[in-house]
Amino acid sequence: AQSVAQPEDQVNVAEGNPLTVKCTYSVSGNPYLFWYVQYPNRGLQFLLKYITGDNLVKGSYGFEAEFNKSQTSFYLKKPSALVSDSALYFCAVRDGGKLIFGQGTELSVKP
Amino acid sequence: GAVVSQHPSWVICKSGTSVKIECRSLDFQATTMFWYRQFPKQSLMLMATSNEGSKATYEQGVEKDKFLINHASLTLSTLTVTSAHPEDSSFYICSANREGPDTQYFGPGTRLTVL
Repeated sequence: AQSVAQPEDQVNVAEGNPLTVKCTYSVSGNPYLFWYVQYPNRGLQFLLKYITGDNLVKGSYGFEAEFNKSQTSFYLKKPSALVSDSALYFCAVRDGGKLIFGQGTELSVKP
Repeated sequence: GAVVSQHPSWVICKSGTSVKIECRSLDFQATTMFWYRQFPKQSLMLMATSNEGSKATYEQGVEKDKFLINHASLTLSTLTVTSAHPEDSSFYICSANREGPDTQYFGPGTRLTVL
């Protein structure tokens, strides 16, 4: 079965610093990977996806993700964090017609 | 962009009553919708896949008689929590596919509290 894991429950970053949120995957076949963000008491918003092609994927709100096949990782990155980026981030993998989500990582960006 | 709405956004009910939650795709037709359950600061757990015009496909461990799903049109799916109990209190989120399984749009969620 397809799965993703987010090893960090929480990531703390100072505003203006780069941020990285980790995700590793376990799939049979080619991975279809996604990142979503959730603000308090809200649904999920799509950030970006990797299907095939370049290992660096550009997404919404200045986010990007780096796909690394040898390390089976899909790290979410942003060069300069904003306080407004503070939220819950989910990595997901496609399994047939549905998405399987990681445990989530709470990102806290302090001024 | 595509919009998915849920109604109500929050509901409080008494134990033993039933609650219906609606999920609508406002500007596109969705042959497939999904229902998730989320506990505080935890991941989304897929409950079922709702297909327009056919029976929903439930994930293992989800009681289909407890969580009734109806997908009567291409823009509306409903989740009914029957005979709700306090342990059913949770955040329920729906999503809808547009242009295939890689483009899934999420509703804002419904907070259910069962007293």
